[in-house]
Amino acid sequence: AQSVSQHNHHVILSEAASLELGCNYSYGGTVNLFWYVQYPGQHLQLLLKYFSGDPLVKGIKGFEAEFIKSKFSFNLRKPSVQWSDTAEYFCAVRAGSARQLTFGSGTQLTVLP
Amino acid sequence: EAGVAQSPRYKIIEKRQSVAFWCNPISGHATLYWYQQILGQGPKLLIQFQNNGVVDDSQLPKDRFSAERLKGVDSTLKIQPAKLEDSAVYLCASSLVSGGAIQTGYTFGSGTRLTVV
Repeated sequence: AQSVSQHNHHVILSEAASLELGCNYSYGGTVNLFWYVQYPGQHLQLLLKYFSGDPLVKGIKGFEAEFIKSKFSFNLRKPSVQWSDTAEYFCAVRAGSARQLTFGSGTQLTVLP
Repeated sequence: EAGVAQSPRYKIIEKRQSVAFWCNPISGHATLYWYQQILGQGPKLLIQFQNNGVVDDSQLPKDRFSAERLKGVDSTLKIQPAKLEDSAVYLCASSLVSGGAIQTGYTFGSGTRLTVV
């Protein structure tokens, strides 16, 4: 069965710092990849997704992610974080013909003003 | 577009009691999912419906959990009897699936936070 690893459980940054959150998955075939964000007290929202084509995907709020097939990775990046980016971020994978998403354990991002 | 509606938002029950959660997905989304999110962990799939049929319930603890989606729209998830370890947020999501493939990501509801004491 596929698995998703998010090695950073909690990341603390100051405003304007650059962000990179790691996501690795274990599946050798075709994958669809997603990043979700959960702001405090709110529901999970889709940040961006990769299905095919350009491996550099741009999402909402200035986030982007790069799919590197050889590394089984889909890291999330943002050049300059804001206090309002404080949230929990989840990577998710749909592997092959699976009809569901498998989620990582999440990374809590705290941005200090 | 209306989102995925869930109720109640919060529920506190004693162990061995029963509880039910309700979900109304986005109109036109034939696929509906129930996920369990324990504090500090990512969402874990409990059950997936396609219209009113179950696609995957392999991770549903069937001795105490049940779910139905009778008319292919609303769904209910029930726990009977509840255990302390069932304390979690129960998330409902829906997606547009065509040709067996998810065409977009999930749309999640706000979840129901269950506390079992």
